[in-house]
Amino acid sequence: DAGITQSPRYKITETGRQVTLMCHQTWSHSYMFWYRQDLGHGLRLIYYSAAADITDKGEVPDGYVVSRSKTENFPLTLESATRSQTSVYFCASSEPLANEQFFGPGTRLTVL
Amino acid sequence: GESVGLHLPTLSVQEGDNSIINCAYSNSASDYFIWYKQESGKGPQFIIDIRSNMDKRQGQRVTVLLNKTVKHLSLQIAATQPGDSAVYFCAENPINAGNMLTFGGGTRLMVKP
Repeated sequence: DAGITQSPRYKITETGRQVTLMCHQTWSHSYMFWYRQDLGHGLRLIYYSAAADITDKGEVPDGYVVSRSKTENFPLTLESATRSQTSVYFCASSEPLANEQFFGPGTRLTVL
Repeated sequence: GESVGLHLPTLSVQEGDNSIINCAYSNSASDYFIWYKQESGKGPQFIIDIRSNMDKRQGQRVTVLLNKTVKHLSLQIAATQPGDSAVYFCAENPINAGNMLTFGGGTRLMVKP
């Protein structure tokens, strides 16, 4: 199906474990984004990518790693999960210089 | 630091009434201001945007007003329906920020039948 998908939708992990959240889009949008959403903070940008093999930090990048070897995929890795990374994570994509970003359904991550 | 924020965390309106959701911003160097809607359990969805050189823009049942003098943005929803119940976020696209948006904290709109 066309669109933007995220997996898993729900994940429970333990402190110190590595976790990878997947994001896949079928529009061939050049830009992709990772946000986290916490109560009281709205959406905060973690990392973004302007094209394959081009990534850059957002507002809250510490503790996260991204890669983009293919245009359609933008995985987010928590190398050593901490409780403060418990959040809902949204992936989004867009055309260059567009205000409309298309968001995935989100991944709810709990770090115990 | 500069930020985008919202006046009211929750707004409750009667079905059929008009809704007004407000947002204050502090970054004057923004090219666009945008509204997103987020329904429960879903990702945010684009509603409408307005360029900084405009003061009003209308869409289908929605109107966005921009007052640069007082750095205020509002979203008006006409004839509010139960399907409008959601959290609404304002966001800004600063000049030279490319596609990077800065989101506000969100306002929950509850529509009473």
